[in-house]
Amino acid sequence: DVKVTQSSRYLVKRTGEKVFLECVQDMDHENMFWYRQDPGLGLRLIYFSYDVKMKEKGDIPEGYSVSREKKERFSLILESASTNQTSMYLCASSLILDRGAEAFFGQGTRLTVV
Amino acid sequence: AQSVAQPEDQVNVAEGNPLTVKCTYSVSGNPYLFWYVQYPNRGLQFLLKYITGDNLVKGSYGFEAEFNKSQTSFHLKKPSALVSDSALYFCAVRPMNTGFQKLVFGTGTRLLVSP
Repeated sequence: DVKVTQSSRYLVKRTGEKVFLECVQDMDHENMFWYRQDPGLGLRLIYFSYDVKMKEKGDIPEGYSVSREKKERFSLILESASTNQTSMYLCASSLILDRGAEAFFGQGTRLTVV
Repeated sequence: AQSVAQPEDQVNVAEGNPLTVKCTYSVSGNPYLFWYVQYPNRGLQFLLKYITGDNLVKGSYGFEAEFNKSQTSFHLKKPSALVSDSALYFCAVRPMNTGFQKLVFGTGTRLLVSP
């Protein structure tokens, strides 16, 4: 089975801190994604990577950056955490979507910024 | 713009009754369509997908979905609901005519199955 592992289930950070969320997948997937989930808004794509060192902005990239130095690892960085970034963060990976591949999700990181 | 609509925030059904969770989409071209389920404080789990072929797709845990191109819908169904089906359900679409590798998600529908 595909496994997508996020480094933390729960995080509490202070306003202004630099925050790193880590994600690792074990199925050699080309694509990796970071989504943010908020009640009533569904999942919104923050960033996407289709290869090592390659990234594309999603719908809400402001205040975030990403890093993909190795194929299996995709990191989300909050440069200076703010309270409006309190949310559930979901990492996902997939094969190339052109062939109808589904995405596999990690268990999520619930981040609270105080 | 590509979008997915889940018109119901919550669906209530009694155990043993059939359930339907609705999804409509708006994309240019033919889409790939997906259903995911999320249990409390967990990530999303894949249920089923429509790529091509038979409009009725069967998936995990007894769920199925029907693709209707004329109505641009992909409703999730199950003949007999279980209390354990209570969860948050998301519909997603992957537009076929874009190079961008992206899934667009609906806002989710909470399913509550009562004993």
